[in-house]
Amino acid sequence: QPVLTQPPSSSASPGESARLTCTLPSDINVGSYNIYWYQQKPGSPPRYLLYYYSDSDKGQGSGVPSRFSGSKDASANTGILLISGLQSEDEADYYCMIWPSNANVVFGGGTKLTVL
Amino acid sequence: EVQLVESGGGLVQPGRSLRLSCAASGFTFDDYAMHWVRQAPGKGLEWVSGISWNSGSIGYADSVKGRFTISRDNAKNSLYLQMNSLRAEDTALYYCAKDESLTMVQGAIDYWGQGTLVTVSS
Repeated sequence: QPVLTQPPSSSASPGESARLTCTLPSDINVGSYNIYWYQQKPGSPPRYLLYYYSDSDKGQGSGVPSRFSGSKDASANTGILLISGLQSEDEADYYCMIWPSNANVVFGGGTKLTVL
Repeated sequence: EVQLVESGGGLVQPGRSLRLSCAASGFTFDDYAMHWVRQAPGKGLEWVSGISWNSGSIGYADSVKGRFTISRDNAKNSLYLQMNSLRAEDTALYYCAKDESLTMVQGAIDYWGQGTLVTVSS
């Protein structure tokens, strides 16, 4: 199973943007995968936010605001979740996910986002 | 409204077995793949297993392969996880979750239940 690396924590102030990263191992190319993103608040199940493959192939979860968006940095082999106009309710854990192969799913370790 | 209700969790001794169930409603169950995802206390998400709409494609995490078996009964709108040879490290909240697609190829896990807690301890 590949390991998806997410920074354990991140912080930003209300109104600012938060950029959360998900780095794939060097033997798999981020350009070849859909990157899925989830939000989890304490005591609740995860919520599906969005997926990103490319600017022409992406999708938003049901009811997810457009200030949540995805992208990739191919040079860093990284998927990115950008949250613009941060709000206090965005404070949560965020997880990335990929399908490295058929019938196989992997989650990243998660990033705890603190809204200062 | 999509509803996924897990049951069957509890306290079990190491080496014993447990069977989790998930009752699904609010969508056409046999049109979607389904998953089990777990979360150990204070830890992150770990995908456990998934099954396609017709049980033709099944996958397991390496950590549970050979010990856990996923199955579904489309006539009963139900998903199951048979867990054998349980270990302390299997202690977690187990979520039943719906995939947005039929198959086990690509797709978001788009709806989640509230989870059922499994504690493995002597």
